[in-house]
Amino acid sequence: EVQLVESGGGLVQPGWSVRLSCVASGFKFDDYVMHWVRQTPGKGLECVSSISPRSDRFGYADSVKGRFTISRDNAKRSLYLQMSSLRAEDTALYYCVKDAPNGSIVHWGQGTLVTVSS
Amino acid sequence: DVVMTQSPLFLSVTLGQPASISCRSSQRLVHSDGNTYLNWFQQRPGQSPRRLIYKVSNRDSGVPDRFSGSGSGSDFTLKISRVEAEDVGLYYCMQGGQWPYTFGQGTKLEIK
Repeated sequence: EVQLVESGGGLVQPGWSVRLSCVASGFKFDDYVMHWVRQTPGKGLECVSSISPRSDRFGYADSVKGRFTISRDNAKRSLYLQMSSLRAEDTALYYCVKDAPNGSIVHWGQGTLVTVSS
Repeated sequence: DVVMTQSPLFLSVTLGQPASISCRSSQRLVHSDGNTYLNWFQQRPGQSPRRLIYKVSNRDSGVPDRFSGSGSGSDFTLKISRVEAEDVGLYYCMQGGQWPYTFGQGTKLEIK
C-alpha cells in the first residue's frame, strides 16, 4: 500500500523559512516523479513544485519560483520542500503527491498545514 | 502555465438528477504523444482528493459508472448521470500534460 506522510508544517512568521518533509513507502520511490500540491480555501489546488526521479528536472509554479526549492533523497525515500521568504498567501495545506502514468496523480498524503502569520 | 477554468463553481442538485461540470483550458491539451492528459478529481469533506477520471474519459477502478468524462482539445465535461448523497464535495479538473500540473478552481456540489 502506498503511504505518503508529510511533516514540518506549523505557524511561522512572514519572511521566515520552513522545510517540509515527506516519507514514502509502498512503492519504488526512485522510479517516480513527485510533487508538492497545496490547497487553500480561496485558491483551491495548486501544484507548487515537481521533481524527476533522478533530481535532474525541476518545476515550480510562478507563485513560488525563487522562494521554494524541491529536493529528494532516494536512499531515504524522502521528498522535501524548502520554503523561504514566506508570505501570508503561502498559508495552505501542503500535500506530498506521487505521480502516476498518463499525466496524472493518484496517491496523496494527508497533508501538513503551514500557517504564515505574525 | 496552462490555465484551467471550471464552471459552474457551485452546483445544487436534487437527488437522482443529473449534473454537469465544464472545464476549459487556455491551450489545447493534446500532448505531442497524441494523448490528452485531462483528469477529474473528487474531494469529499475532510479527505484528500481522489481521482475519478484520467485521459479525458477513463474511469478509475471503483468509480461508479454514473460518472463519465468527455471532451477534446480545450473543452471538457464531467457528468454525473444521477446524483447520490455521497457525491457531495468538491470536483476539480487537472491537466497533466506539462509541468506544472494545473487545476481548475473547483466546483462545489451540494444536494438541494
